[in-house]
Amino acid sequence: DAKTTQPNSMESNEEEPVHLPCNHSTISGTDYIHWYRQLPSQGPEYVIHGLTSNVNNRMASLAIAEDRKSSTLILHRATLRDAAVYYCILRTNTGNQFYFGTGTSLTVIP
Amino acid sequence: DTGVSQNPRHKITKRGQNVTFRCDPISEHNRLYWYRQTLGQGPEFLTYFQNEAQLEKSRLLSDRFSAERPKGSFSTLEIQRTEQGDSAMYLCASSLGGFANYGYTFGSGTRLTVV
Repeated sequence: DAKTTQPNSMESNEEEPVHLPCNHSTISGTDYIHWYRQLPSQGPEYVIHGLTSNVNNRMASLAIAEDRKSSTLILHRATLRDAAVYYCILRTNTGNQFYFGTGTSLTVIP
Repeated sequence: DTGVSQNPRHKITKRGQNVTFRCDPISEHNRLYWYRQTLGQGPEFLTYFQNEAQLEKSRLLSDRFSAERPKGSFSTLEIQRTEQGDSAMYLCASSLGGFANYGYTFGSGTRLTVV
């Protein structure tokens, strides 16, 4: 699976939108973009995934660049419970594992 | 079904002892994965099963580690002759198939401390 690049940490004020970027310049045409988050002392939790089109679910939105070399996870109103490490991962049909990297540690300021 | 269950949540053991962890996946998921996570790092792949067959093992899985998934249901991960470097969170995940369009469901992990 191709690798991704994320900032080590970000801060957001509570109830404001958060845009978490991810670069994946070596993405291939069949790679899906997955986002997971991990709260302290918990296992990673699925957030959202997509291939080409932007995606929305109850947790977040995923905006995928037209060339697919980058994507952005959007939390529309950050809450204190959103403080976590967010991982951007590429998954291919031939890959049997996720490469997590170190992710982005999001701090939400009350 | 309440998700992926891992037991125990915490384990403290003396160096040289053997430990075994259990993972109960979501019942209809045919794939089961083991990951290891050390402090400040993302999870690292150890091994995965499709039904009862262990199809891939990471080089991180030394000879002291063994995993099984009898009958394609729950799985166990055993570490023999534990070392302090084995201290980590051991995570189990399951998925329905291996296609890139499928996500994983992770358990809460077993935190191992070797003293």
